[in-house]
Amino acid sequence: GIQVEQSPPDLILQEGANSTLRCNFSDSVNNLQWFHQNPWGQLINLFYIPSGTKQNGRLSATTVATERYSLLYISSSQTTDSGVYFCAGGVGNDMRFGAGTRLTVKP
Amino acid sequence: DAGVIQSPRHEVTEMGQEVTLRCKPISGHNSLFWYRQTMMRGLELLIYFNNNVPIDDSGMPEDRFSAKMPNASFSTLKIQPSEPRDSAVYFCASSSDWSSGNTIYFGEGSWLTVV
Repeated sequence: GIQVEQSPPDLILQEGANSTLRCNFSDSVNNLQWFHQNPWGQLINLFYIPSGTKQNGRLSATTVATERYSLLYISSSQTTDSGVYFCAGGVGNDMRFGAGTRLTVKP
Repeated sequence: DAGVIQSPRHEVTEMGQEVTLRCKPISGHNSLFWYRQTMMRGLELLIYFNNNVPIDDSGMPEDRFSAKMPNASFSTLKIQPSEPRDSAVYFCASSSDWSSGNTIYFGEGSWLTVV
């Protein structure tokens, strides 16, 4: 199956800072999504983005399908952004998750 | 919308006992997924259904695990007999037609501890 690598594994930011999270795929995907797992364990879908760029408030994501990677941008980070960010990708419903980036935003 | 509903939220059981986890997908969604999350292996896809039919169960760890979806609004994941290494958070998720790009919505998870 598809291998998904995320970087960095851990990230500590001061409130207000910006960050970029990266996701690499071992093969082409036609289904790619970003999720946030909050400290209570809830998994929230952030973006469905197999290609192109999307923005939602302070978050945006870009996928370059031909080069098999996706980026998640967080601007003006807040303490509520803390948690683990996962990307998942695959062909159709066969979605594989990366190991995640653990983000800690300090006040 | 009520979201994906899972039960039980927490379960502690003894090794050898049968465990049944339940899931109600979002109404109108035709794809349902079971994932398992552990510290060692992260989030693993166990099985997914499309229109109540199991499409890929290659992620099911062994014969002790089974999943069913008798109708569009209900699915179960059963472990029999359970073992301590099955301790994990089991997530159910649903989506509508993946080909139209609809997103996957997760339930809150069932936290299973096998002692």
